[in-house]
Amino acid sequence: GEDVEQSLFLSVREGDSSVINCTYTDSSSTYLYWYKQEPGAGLQLLTYIFSNMDMKQDQRLTVLLNKKDKHLSLRIADTQTGDSAIYFCAESPAGNTPLVFGKGTRLSVIA
Amino acid sequence: GAVVSQHPSRVICKSGTSVKIECRSLDFQATTMFWYRQFPKQSLMLMATSNEGSKATYEQGVEKDKFLINHASLTLSTLTVTSAHPEDSSFYICSARVGDPGGTFGSGTRLTVV
Repeated sequence: GEDVEQSLFLSVREGDSSVINCTYTDSSSTYLYWYKQEPGAGLQLLTYIFSNMDMKQDQRLTVLLNKKDKHLSLRIADTQTGDSAIYFCAESPAGNTPLVFGKGTRLSVIA
Repeated sequence: GAVVSQHPSRVICKSGTSVKIECRSLDFQATTMFWYRQFPKQSLMLMATSNEGSKATYEQGVEKDKFLINHASLTLSTLTVTSAHPEDSSFYICSARVGDPGGTFGSGTRLTVV
């Protein structure tokens, strides 16, 4: 079945880069996503990448996709304290289907 | 962009009572909504898929009689937790996908059953 794995914790110093990794199993996934969840809040879509892309950059965020290894990463440049949150990796095929989420990586930014 | 409004954001209820959570799509029509549940420090688990005008599709292990889903219109889906117990305390989130990748999530409802 579908499964998304990611490390549970990451701690970085303010100003450094953060890299959050994720592996997935469904090779038919058309889109792969990164969501951010702040305490007590819903999910905010940060960015997504289409499966035929290798990289996508959006301001401080860079997503790398290795489709062969089914590996996805999110790099946050110049990490700020406001970036402290839980980051979820998710996959889904195209269409009106639910997402499959990883367990989330709790990012702690140390000032 | 598409907005999903979820209410209430927080509710405390007594054991044995029922609680209704609403999700409204504000500026689009959602034929399908997804209901997720999130336990503390855990990921989102899909509970059910809500389809307008038809019965919801529940994931394995989710009691359909306990978690009643109604999707009577293209802009409103409701989840009712019936005869709530402390183990039902959780964070419930709805989501709708309308062409945009990833879909739009409600802000979530924190349910505490005492």
